Amino acid sequence: DTGVSQNPRHKITKRGQNVTFRCDPISEHNRLYWYRQTLGQGPEFLTYFQNEAQLEKSRLLSDRFSAERPKGSFSTLEIQRTEQGDSAMYLCASSLIAGESYNEQFFGPGTRLTVL
Amino acid sequence: DQQVKQNSPSLSVQEGRISILNCDYTNSMFDYFLWYKKYPAEGPTFLISISSIKDKNEDGRFTVFLNKSAKHLSLHIVPSQPGDSAVYFCAASGLDDYKLSFGAGTTVTVRA
Repeated sequence: DTGVSQNPRHKITKRGQNVTFRCDPISEHNRLYWYRQTLGQGPEFLTYFQNEAQLEKSRLLSDRFSAERPKGSFSTLEIQRTEQGDSAMYLCASSLIAGESYNEQFFGPGTRLTVL
Repeated sequence: DQQVKQNSPSLSVQEGRISILNCDYTNSMFDYFLWYKKYPAEGPTFLISISSIKDKNEDGRFTVFLNKSAKHLSLHIVPSQPGDSAVYFCAASGLDDYKLSFGAGTTVTVRA
């Protein structure tokens, strides 16, 4: 399977704990995005990377959130001191940006976070 | 600020008939528009897209129409099939960062 993979698929944690999610993009894709989706809403942009460089962070991404993409391959999203409001589906997507052509983003299955 | 809006949360259509999903946007800087389909417990799957320089794009049973002056796009599915039952998201992006702004989704149910 050469699609985008995310681990874990589900995470239940207690308020105040730290959690880390991993995303493995399609291997040749240089762009990686993180989105968050809550019930009844569409995905909301959080941050994105071009290779290993984090180019933009949404104002939705508080100081408790940090994302990395070492070596421009997989990415991790860490949430410190989780709050109940962090409960959501966290989606990762990747795409290949090359020249002027537009290439769609491919999404992983998501990590569903539940904060008790 | 919701820049992409899907005002119909659900749509029910009979198998074989046309499904029409609508989407409105407010940001005139959007250059590219996409439709994604999502099944439960899966991530969104790309369906079809259209550049702002076009007004129509067709791919098999799926056609997307763009009306830039009205800031409106629609997705037509003809004929609708039971496997089309899913949540459909409209999304838009600029050509500088490609980050997507999504609508809230429309749940399509195709009745046999």
